[in-house]
Amino acid sequence: DIQMTQSPSSLSASVGDRVTITCRASQDISNYLAWFQQKPGQAPKSLIYAASALQSGVPSKFSGSGSGTDFTLTISSLQPEDFGSYYCQQYDNYPYSFGQGTKLEIK
Amino acid sequence: QVQLVESGGGVVQPGRSLRLSCAASGFPFGTYTMHWVRQAPGKGLEWVAVISYQGSKKYYADSVKGRFTISRDDSNNTLYLQMSSLRPEDTALYYCARGPVVVYVGTTDYWGQGTLVAVSS
Repeated sequence: DIQMTQSPSSLSASVGDRVTITCRASQDISNYLAWFQQKPGQAPKSLIYAASALQSGVPSKFSGSGSGTDFTLTISSLQPEDFGSYYCQQYDNYPYSFGQGTKLEIK
Repeated sequence: QVQLVESGGGVVQPGRSLRLSCAASGFPFGTYTMHWVRQAPGKGLEWVAVISYQGSKKYYADSVKGRFTISRDDSNNTLYLQMSSLRPEDTALYYCARGPVVVYVGTTDYWGQGTLVAVSS
């Protein structure tokens, strides 16, 4: 099974900051990587698929990159509504797997 | 608009069974692969199971294999998760999520709000 490792586990940032979250796969997953945002008390929301493609309606402040085993999610100009938890997910092989999550908090 | 509404959660004793449902609307349910994903209280996301469109392919996480069964009723636009031999570690919020159209491999785009399952004596 493929293991996904995110870093950092938590991150404190200020409004207006640019932040980057990293996700590493235990084996080559090509670009079969998705990112999700989850706010407290809400269901996860899909942000990015195929490592860098934005889901419909997702603002361009979110961007993804990477292929193979190393991936990043970058959020530019943080706004209050961007705070919450972020998860990567590989969908190259079943069983699908998620990273452990990154909690993004307001500094 | 796409809607996924889970139901069937509740408190259940260890070793008992429970069936979750996910009512879908706003899209041609029968042509989409569908998933169940769960989240234990205060924890991260755990993928649970997938069923292809037409139900010909199914796959499960090792943690539920042999105990959980995913199925679908395309005539009623409903996804199911039959859970048996429940354990305390199955306690979680269970989400259904829409996968890709027709193909079996692909990530999810829409998620329901979840239904809570608590396994406790």
